[in-house]
Amino acid sequence: GAVVSQHPSWVICKSGTSVKIECRSLDFQATTMFWYRQFPKQSLMLMATSNEGSKATYEQGVEKDKFLINHASLTLSTLTVTSAHPEDSSFYICSAAAQGRKKSSYNEQFFGPGTRLTVL
Amino acid sequence: AQSVTQLGSHVSVSEGALVLLRCNYSSSVPPYLFWYVQYPNQGLQLLLKYTTGATLVKGINGFEAEFKKSETSFHLTKPSAHMSDAAEYFCAVRHEGGSQGNLIFGKGTKLSVKP
Repeated sequence: GAVVSQHPSWVICKSGTSVKIECRSLDFQATTMFWYRQFPKQSLMLMATSNEGSKATYEQGVEKDKFLINHASLTLSTLTVTSAHPEDSSFYICSAAAQGRKKSSYNEQFFGPGTRLTVL
Repeated sequence: AQSVTQLGSHVSVSEGALVLLRCNYSSSVPPYLFWYVQYPNQGLQLLLKYTTGATLVKGINGFEAEFKKSETSFHLTKPSAHMSDAAEYFCAVRHEGGSQGNLIFGKGTKLSVKP
């Protein structure tokens, strides 16, 4: 199956600093990448959807200026948490989907291993 | 609006016993349904999916699920639990309105397996 990596796997930072998380599709071109956030013992909540070369679409309630998403290439998307605060501590998971041959076809998502962010 | 409901946030079974994790969904269009497994501090791994065709879907690690339209259900089963099955399981439905396929997840069910 397709492989998606995330880096770093965990990060600890001080309040007020910015943290960048990378999501890479290793063996396929991902036209769409998704960023999820997961709080302890809860489900995944979609934060934003990014398509290569265009601006990300954020879900309601997600601050676009705080969570900067860049999808500059077909294999890399980054999420930058700006001016991080303790309430931003969470498990961030990305997923990637490739464009199918037909626009109406289902594009399976492949998930990365996640990044645990702890803001002190 | 679409939603996914997983009955039981925590299910405990004995090793060798039947595993049954319940999932009900709501969708106004024919749904694409998924079960994912998450081990501690890891991402999600796809167990199985239903898109079209046969309603009984077999996945990895001996799991299977049956899509029942009349019951709007997609319960996950495994005949005999192994210790290695202990994990968090998420049911999901594809969000309506496009082929991009962003998913709506249930709240998850934690499966514990007793020796």
